[in-house]
Amino acid sequence: GDSVTQMEGPVTLSEEAFLTINCTYTATGYPSLFWYVQYPGEGLQLLLKATKADDKGSNKGFEATYRKETTSFHLEKGSVQVSDSAVYFCALSDGGGGADGLTFGKGTHLIIQP
Amino acid sequence: EAGVAQSPRYKIIEKRQSVAFWCNPISGHATLYWYQQILGQGPKLLIQFQNNGVVDDSQLPKDRFSAERLKGVDSTLKIQPAKLEDSAVYLCASSLGSFAFFGQGTRLTVV
Repeated sequence: GDSVTQMEGPVTLSEEAFLTINCTYTATGYPSLFWYVQYPGEGLQLLLKATKADDKGSNKGFEATYRKETTSFHLEKGSVQVSDSAVYFCALSDGGGGADGLTFGKGTHLIIQP
Repeated sequence: EAGVAQSPRYKIIEKRQSVAFWCNPISGHATLYWYQQILGQGPKLLIQFQNNGVVDDSQLPKDRFSAERLKGVDSTLKIQPAKLEDSAVYLCASSLGSFAFFGQGTRLTVV
């Protein structure tokens, strides 16, 4: 079945550091890929997505590129802020449009220190 | 635009009791999902509705869990009887097709 593996946390960085959170996936078809974020006390919200190979999703300074050859969708940000502290979830949907249910990774807790 | 509404926010019950959660999706969203998120893990899909029909309930423990979406709008998820391992956050989400919007969830503690 489908699965998503992301790096274990917590990840602790200083403000303005470069961020990478690794995510790899296993899927039978051509999934859509997502990063969701959960800020303290809030619900899950979509951060970015990509629906086909070589697509790059971007939002709020975060980027991730859909790499079919390495089955990866790593999240990156050039300069993190304290406000980026949250739990980040990588997910996939087998449906081409993303309407099918999501398979999530375990989440990576990111802590940014001033 | 109003988000996905869930209630209650918190619930504590004893094992073998029953419990129900309610979800009101974003207006016009045909697809509704229920997820279970156990502490330290990512959410796991329990059931997916398209309007009032079930699309996928392959991971729903049907001996104790049930869900319905009458009239294709609101939905309820019920657990009867609850077990200790059902302690989790239950998330409802809705979608128009491209990605899902999540509610804040109901945190269930079974003691």
